[in-house]
Formats: sequence, C-alpha cells, structure tokens
Amino acid sequence: EVQLVESGGGLVQPGGSLRLSCAASGFTFSSYWIYWVRQAPGRGLVWVSRIDSDGSDTTYADSVKGRFTISRDNAKSTLYLQMNSLRAEDTALYFCARGASSWYAYFDYWGRGTVVTVSS
Amino acid sequence: DIVMTQSPDSLAVSLGERATISCKSSQSVLYISNNKNYLAWYQQKPGQPPKLLIYWASTRESGVPDRFSGSGSETDFTLTISGLQAEDVAVYYCQQYYSTPYTFGQGTKLEIK
Repeated sequence: EVQLVESGGGLVQPGGSLRLSCAASGFTFSSYWIYWVRQAPGRGLVWVSRIDSDGSDTTYADSVKGRFTISRDNAKSTLYLQMNSLRAEDTALYFCARGASSWYAYFDYWGRGTVVTVSS
Repeated sequence: DIVMTQSPDSLAVSLGERATISCKSSQSVLYISNNKNYLAWYQQKPGQPPKLLIYWASTRESGVPDRFSGSGSETDFTLTISGLQAEDVAVYYCQQYYSTPYTFGQGTKLEIK
C-alpha cells in the first residue's frame, strides 16, 4: 500500500525555520517525482515545489523561491522541505504528493499533511 | 501563470441528480504534440487530503466510480457527477499540469439539496 506520511510541522515565529519530512513506503520512491502542495486554513490548494526522481532537478513557486529548499534521500525514501525566513502567509497544511508519472504533475497519492503555523 | 477559474463556487444538488462543475483555464492546456489536455480533477472531503478523480481531462483514475466523468479541451472543462450520492459531498478542484507553476482552481463546494 502506497503511503506518504508528513512530519515536522509546528508553530514558528516569523523569520524562523522549519524542516518538513515526508516518509514514503509501498512503492519504489526513487522512481517518482514528488511534490509539496499547501493549503491555508479554509483556502484552496497551492503547489509549492517539485523534485525529480534523483533529486537533480527542482522547481519552486515564486512565493517560496529563495526561502524553501526541496530535497530527497532515496536511500531513506524520504522527501524534505527546508523552510527558511518563514512568513505569516506560509501558515498552511503542507501535503506531499506523488506525481503519477515522470513529467506529468498530476498527483495520485497524497499524505495527510503536516500543519505549519507562523505566528509571534 | 495559468489561472484556473471554477464555477460555481458552491452547488447544491438533490440525491440522484446530476452535478456539473466548470473549470476554465486562462490559456490552453492542450499539448499539441500528444493531443493531451493537461488537466486533472480532485475531490477533497473535510479533514482529508485530495483524491485524484480524473486526469488527462477525461481519464478516470482506477477505483473511481463511473458516475464521475470529465470532458472538455483547450480552455474549457467540465466535471460531471451523474446520480449524486451522499458520499460525493466534498470540495472539487481542477488543476493544470501543462506548465509550472502548477495551478488549481479555487474549488467548488458540492452539497446535497
């Protein structure tokens, strides 16, 4: 069974940092592009970042570019999102999601998310 | 960026009736070289992550009931739920994966009338 389990969320002050993790199981992690998508409270879905199967290619939404870094450890089947210089508008539920196939960014499996709250 | 606009924002339909949700993109999401529309639909129930329903605008994901169907091309797309059931109450999102940033519609909240 495919599973994605996010962790690492919490309460952080503006300007602070947080590292999210997404532990994958039930599939060959190293074969799939993985994505971060966030959802602010009561709001819609917003794509944040993507990483290709071997970690050599990454892309970011403009709103997080230069502040967030996506990475992966295929040996550990784990995805990461390093979040620096956090702002109030980064407050959201952060999902990791599996791309159904390389290059095609529709998401066939999602984790349940981890909550990030940026507040003083 | 490609802007995705759904209508309506909310919809109430009687059990057993048809629900229709529209999604329009600000530019075509049809890739000419493979004649595929890079458009997906998701269902999100309260407290749950989104669930993939449809991709390539009209291909139903494995396990999704056949009362869910997608149609459309280029910039205009529709999600149809035929024979609405109580468990279909959710928010529905369209998403384009034609180009980054990948963008979602604002969501359509479907309720029972």
